[in-house]
Amino acid sequence: EPEVTQTPSHQVTQMGQEVILRCVPISNHLYFYWYRQILGQKVEFLVSFYNNEISEKSEIFDDQFSVERPDGSNFTLKIRSTKLEDSAMYFCASKERGPYQETQYFGPGTRLLVL
Amino acid sequence: ILNVEQSPQSLHVQEGDSTNFTCGFPSSNFYALHWYRWETAKSPEALFVMTLNGDEKKKGRISATLNTKEGYSYLYIKGSQPEDSATYLCAFETSYDKVIFGPGTSLSVIP
Repeated sequence: EPEVTQTPSHQVTQMGQEVILRCVPISNHLYFYWYRQILGQKVEFLVSFYNNEISEKSEIFDDQFSVERPDGSNFTLKIRSTKLEDSAMYFCASKERGPYQETQYFGPGTRLLVL
Repeated sequence: ILNVEQSPQSLHVQEGDSTNFTCGFPSSNFYALHWYRWETAKSPEALFVMTLNGDEKKKGRISATLNTKEGYSYLYIKGSQPEDSATYLCAFETSYDKVIFGPGTSLSVIP
């Protein structure tokens, strides 16, 4: 069964460094999402992406964050200058059509630790 | 500020018991309501997506209902099994493609 994959599974970085989190959505999916969960807190929406542009973003998704679909398969989240509070589990999700009635399929997540 | 609430926060039941939990969400800008099952160290697994007021969905022993007018959804598990132990998340999808998750209900089923 097709699944969303994410790399790396874990990343440790120094504060101020740039990180790129990678996701490979399910191949025929058109809508892509990034979420994060800080330990002990809710899953938080970051951004939705469709047709090579951001369709919606949250207040968390400031100028330090960017997303890109550099080729036909990858969907990346870049954090330009990481802060301690960026430490979280980052989930990518994709869905086939939307927005009606289409299930989002989640990847296994990337655990980011900023020191 | 859009907020999604879930209750109870956690629940311990005996194997074989039936249980239910609640998700409360805004009644404006509603597009869809999602339920996910999330086991530790795994990715959230989609259970249901509901869009219409009065929707009822069923998957095996798990079912869900939706009331968009009053802004709540119930998830029911009939005859809980230890493998049902997980965190159950609901997520409210707005009409402009934004998804807001609730804090989850953590279910432990005791054999």
